[in-house]
Order: sequence, then structure tokens, then C-alpha cells
Amino acid sequence: QSALTQPASVSGSPGQSITISCTGTSSDVGSYNLVSWYQQHPGKAPKVMIYEVSKRPSWVSDRFSGSKSGNTASLTISGLQAEDEADYYCCSYVPISTYVFGTGTRVTVL
Amino acid sequence: EMQMVESGGGLVQPGGSLRLSCAASGFSSSLYWMTWVRQAPGKGLEWVANIKQDGSEENYVDSVRGRFTISRDNAKNSVYLQMNSLRAEDTAVYYCARDSGGGNYLPWGQGTLVTVSS
Repeated sequence: QSALTQPASVSGSPGQSITISCTGTSSDVGSYNLVSWYQQHPGKAPKVMIYEVSKRPSWVSDRFSGSKSGNTASLTISGLQAEDEADYYCCSYVPISTYVFGTGTRVTVL
Repeated sequence: EMQMVESGGGLVQPGGSLRLSCAASGFSSSLYWMTWVRQAPGKGLEWVANIKQDGSEENYVDSVRGRFTISRDNAKNSVYLQMNSLRAEDTAVYYCARDSGGGNYLPWGQGTLVTVSS
């Protein structure tokens, strides 16, 4: 049950695109299309942005997209906006019936 | 509107116990796995435990197994976390969330703070 590995911080200028990686193992990220991504602003509860690797809730901007290759999942934010500045966490299914979060990434809009 | 409201947090001495409650509204929690997630001050999210719709299966992160017990009362649309033998490292905001499928946690509660200190 080791945490998934994410970069501690990623930054970009308004309008740019950034990508956050989430590296697991062949036992979790690599074996199941059950990776989700959460955005958390300071003092607030997390909010789901992507689930099942690439599915986006209807209320989430299409600037957010998810993908996966091998043991690494990725969250891409395009057209970066000031409101995107937050912490982001990935989460993966781990058999049997448990989950693990990533270490978290602080996104800064320059 | 779907909502989760946690309660029961507070200050407790090491070795003590606390029971957290989470009341769901706007949906029937009996249809979903329910989950507890915690976040230590200034740290990341940690998945803690989950429970199946009918309460027949419970799962825990290694660090709390044997000390914490998750349960639910579908008649009250509620889920609980009994925490025993508390340690300083259990200090965190505890969130409950509905698993809408495959780790799609929605909604989340506002969280309840548990502080373990003498």
C-alpha cells in the first residue's frame, strides 16, 4: 500500500498546458483502468476531476483530461487558469477492494 | 443535493478512542460502497477504509487495521469509524465519501478534525 508517486510541484503560465504524472506499479495503476484525479483547494474537501483514467464528470471543464500508459497515469490541464492553482492527487484501485492515493502535486499558476 | 456531513472529531489522548459519524443525504447510501479518507495537517490524502453496500466486506489500510472499525447503518443512511488505540500519527482531518464506482469519490463531506495529543 505504498503511495503512488507524483511530482511535488508543477507550474505554468496562464494559457499553457501542464501534465502531472502518477506512477504506480503493475499491481495497481498498470493493471486496472481505475485511476481517478482529485483537485483540492486550501481548506476545502477534494473534488473529483477525472475517474476511470479518462472520464470527466459533466461539471468539470474539458480543459482537464486524463490518460494512462503502462504503470503511469497522467492528468493534463490545458489553457491553464488562475483558478486551477491547487493540489492534485491521483488515486488507484489496489486489489482486493482497496485504494491508494498519490503523494500529491502542487500546481502553481505563474 | 447530495451531501455528506461528518461529526465526532475532537481532542483525544494517545491510547484513547473516538467514534466518527457520517450522515448522507440526497441519495441512498445503501447502494454504494462508503469510504473514509484522512489528511494529516499539511500532508496528502490517505485512504483509510471502506465498506460494502450491505456491510459484508470491510477493508483497511495497514496502519489502522486492528485498531479502526468501519460500520454502517443503512436505515440511518450513515457510516461510522470507530477508532481505538489512537496514536499521534492518527491526527488528521477525516473525510467520508461515497464511492460512485471504481474510486470515483463523490460527494465528500467537509471533514472532521481528530487531534491525538496529551
